[in-house]
Amino acid sequence: LAKTTQPISMDSYEGQEVNITCSHNNIATNDYITWYQQFPSQGPRFIIQGYKTKVTNEVASLFIPADRKSSTLSLPRVSLSDTAVYYCLVGGFQKLVFGTGTRLLVSP
Amino acid sequence: NAGVTQTPKFRVLKTGQSMTLLCAQDMNHEYMYWYRQDPGMGLRLIHYSVGEGTTAKGEVPDGYNVSRLKKQNFLLGLESAAPSQTSVYFCASSYLSPRKEVEETQYFGPGTRLLVL
Repeated sequence: LAKTTQPISMDSYEGQEVNITCSHNNIATNDYITWYQQFPSQGPRFIIQGYKTKVTNEVASLFIPADRKSSTLSLPRVSLSDTAVYYCLVGGFQKLVFGTGTRLLVSP
Repeated sequence: NAGVTQTPKFRVLKTGQSMTLLCAQDMNHEYMYWYRQDPGMGLRLIHYSVGEGTTAKGEVPDGYNVSRLKKQNFLLGLESAAPSQTSVYFCASSYLSPRKEVEETQYFGPGTRLLVL
């Protein structure tokens, strides 16, 4: 199973762009990269998924370099409600592994 | 749609007692999962099911049993609870993807907080 490494925590201010980078050096050829968000006392919620290059949806963007050994979740113009734990997952079918995530704190 | 619901929301057990956690989903998903999350940690997969009548072990299956008698329900049982099983338990479900190599989006329930004394 591919192991991921993320910063333990990050701080930001409202309106700023936040980039969270995840390292996954031993990602397999068939593995996808998925990001989940978790608020306190709630289950995780899917944010975005990608295989290579760039993926964008209404919530975030995911940047994946050609070697796929890392990925960056980009949250544009964060608000206080984006304070949460963000998990980077790498794996294929039935092989998802949650790490400890990155705690993002957004301040006014 | 209610999505994924879990029963109960909170429970206190004494060591050695048994209990069953119920997970229900109304999205007609094929796959269902049980995770546990300890304080400050990520989620760890206990058991999962790829369809009615089938179950499989995840990362931390010891001390737990599961059953999937109906497609919409996934039960997690603790036969003899131990303090080490104090945790928050999350159930999740996902649909069967035509892309066999991809783990499709998992939809999570609100969690069950279990305290074993």
